[in-house]
Amino acid sequence: SQQGEEDPQALSIQEGENATMNCSYKTSINNLQWYRQNSGRGLVHLILIRSNEREKHSGRLRVTLDTSKKSSSLLITASRAADTASYFCAQVATGANNLFFGTGTRLTVIP
Amino acid sequence: DVKVTQSSRYLVKRTGEKVFLECVQDMDHENMFWYRQDPGLGLRLIYFSYDVKMKEKGDIPEGYSVSREKKERFSLILESASTNQTSMYLCASSFNLQGEGYEQYFGPGTRLTVT
Repeated sequence: SQQGEEDPQALSIQEGENATMNCSYKTSINNLQWYRQNSGRGLVHLILIRSNEREKHSGRLRVTLDTSKKSSSLLITASRAADTASYFCAQVATGANNLFFGTGTRLTVIP
Repeated sequence: DVKVTQSSRYLVKRTGEKVFLECVQDMDHENMFWYRQDPGLGLRLIYFSYDVKMKEKGDIPEGYSVSREKKERFSLILESASTNQTSMYLCASSFNLQGEGYEQYFGPGTRLTVT
């Protein structure tokens, strides 16, 4: 399986704290993407980082990519209760055009 | 705003029934995808399509078929539903830029229960 893995599986923090989620994958990639899923809903794309990029920012989100370690991290700063959701990383393998998703991190932000 | 719609949010079917799940996107995307999502297993790709009448098997195509007669519509068919196909089914679409893998836009999901 080319499926990646997120770590931790679940994370619970207080509002205002930062949340860090990690993702490891197995193959060489073209890009890596992070998605959010609110309970019982479809996924929403958050950010895409290409294989030649090391860091990317979008609002309160910061993504890093280390292709030598085949890993990525998603940092959410100053978390809010509305950030409570599951977060998935997904990779586009080199030469492919479809995504391989991990199993996700369930983030709970306590007000 | 990209919109991906799925025909039903909740569906209950009996074992052995033929089930159709419909997905429609309004952004002229070339790619369309069907996933199923199960607790602890994440999203697994069932089938995808790069163009009208074209389809490719994903990781778990057994027991499923698909149809793409029009660019905006991608149907997932369970020929003879079984209880192990009880799951959340998610449809997605994206542009097709070879090797780029643009972000996917997801529908709200269909929670299918097979009894």
